[in-house]
Amino acid sequence: GEDVEQSLFLSVREGDSSVINCTYTDSSSTYLYWYKQEPGAGLQLLTYIFSNMDMKQDQRLTVLLNKKDKHLSLRIADTQTGDSAIYFCAEAFTGGGNKLTFGTGTQLKVEL
Amino acid sequence: ETGVTQTPRHLVMGMTNKKSLKCEQHLGHNAMYWYKQSAKKPLELMFVYNFKEQTENNSVPSRFSPECPNSSHLFLHLHTLQPEDSALYLCASSQDLTASYEQYFGPGTRLTVT
Repeated sequence: GEDVEQSLFLSVREGDSSVINCTYTDSSSTYLYWYKQEPGAGLQLLTYIFSNMDMKQDQRLTVLLNKKDKHLSLRIADTQTGDSAIYFCAEAFTGGGNKLTFGTGTQLKVEL
Repeated sequence: ETGVTQTPRHLVMGMTNKKSLKCEQHLGHNAMYWYKQSAKKPLELMFVYNFKEQTENNSVPSRFSPECPNSSHLFLHLHTLQPEDSALYLCASSQDLTASYEQYFGPGTRLTVT
């Protein structure tokens, strides 16, 4: 079955880089996503990567995909206090009806 | 601005009550979704509608009853809920069910069942 795993917490100092990790089990995944959820808000799509890519960079965000190990990571450079939130990875596959399988979420806390 | 609104934002109900959650999207999308978010658990997909037709019911108990009168509105009718149904209920929409289309989420309704 499909399963997406993330560590629950990550704490970093302001200005440092944050790396949030995710492992998934469905090798047929076509799209892998990172969503951000701030307190009291819904989920916001940050970035996504197609399964035929190894890396995607978007300003301070870098996504790395290791298909062999089914490992996805999100690196946030120069982490700011406004980056404090819960980050979810999710997977979907072509023909799956846009059904997303989410991880448990990683709570990122940015300390001064 | 998400373009997806949900009301109410907070709801407290007893196990014998009947209430409804409302979701409205202003994005011209054709697919709408209900998710349940419980603490320390992955988001659980509950229902999917595409062009007003239900395409997915993820083994949701019948005490949750969805309704999609048009592509812009989605309701979740609740009756005889259990305390373990307390959670954040999120609505989302997307252009359609193609996997590449982003899902836009509303802020959620925080439901507490007493």
